[in-house]
Amino acid sequence: EAGVVQSPRYKIIEKKQPVAFWCNPISGHNTLYWYLQNLGQGPELLIRYENEEAVDDSQLPKDRFSAERLKGVDSTLKIQPAELGDSAVYLCASSSGQGNEQFFGPGTRLTVL
Amino acid sequence: GQQLNQSPQSMFIQEGEDVSMNCTSSSIFNTWLWYKQDPGEGPVLLIALYKAGELTSNGRLTAQFGITRKDSFLNISASIPSDVGIYFCAGQAQGGSQGNLIFGKGTKLSVKP
Repeated sequence: EAGVVQSPRYKIIEKKQPVAFWCNPISGHNTLYWYLQNLGQGPELLIRYENEEAVDDSQLPKDRFSAERLKGVDSTLKIQPAELGDSAVYLCASSSGQGNEQFFGPGTRLTVL
Repeated sequence: GQQLNQSPQSMFIQEGEDVSMNCTSSSIFNTWLWYKQDPGEGPVLLIALYKAGELTSNGRLTAQFGITRKDSFLNISASIPSDVGIYFCAGQAQGGSQGNLIFGKGTKLSVKP
């Protein structure tokens, strides 16, 4: 069974530029999560989807961050415009339902110059 | 955001030694998960605990769900060099937004051959 797929693995951009990350969850997993992981910290939830519905986006900075999961399968997280403080690892995870074990992708390491 | 108290922050041990780490919270959790993260990769699920007092093993790893439901412990027996990495605990309360995973800051394990 394929795991959670994320791309790109690495991204370097200049501040004020837009950036997008893509995630394809484990087949059959209807719950998808985007996390932010700063250096030396644990992951922190940005947004949680149940199928195509964003059921918890309370931690998503909506002035510059957006996400979508149009068909309830893969998802895209976007930052526009990026700031220096956005440099971090962006992790995607999926589960077969909330309260079930979450499986993580390899992450996208973003560097904003 | 809210995080669990995980200790120790780092450990330097000799190959073959046993390792213990723990996680505490001021809140009650219904689920405790332990993950391992290697450099440049996403967290990998090691053990999941669902009942207070539960003791679960996965090879040389053993984890326990504390009776108070506010703590959890992970033990690694007879450590080997490939145990090197960062270990995260994660707790989950109840449904809704409380059902989201809260992560500790991690315990960085170094093993000397």
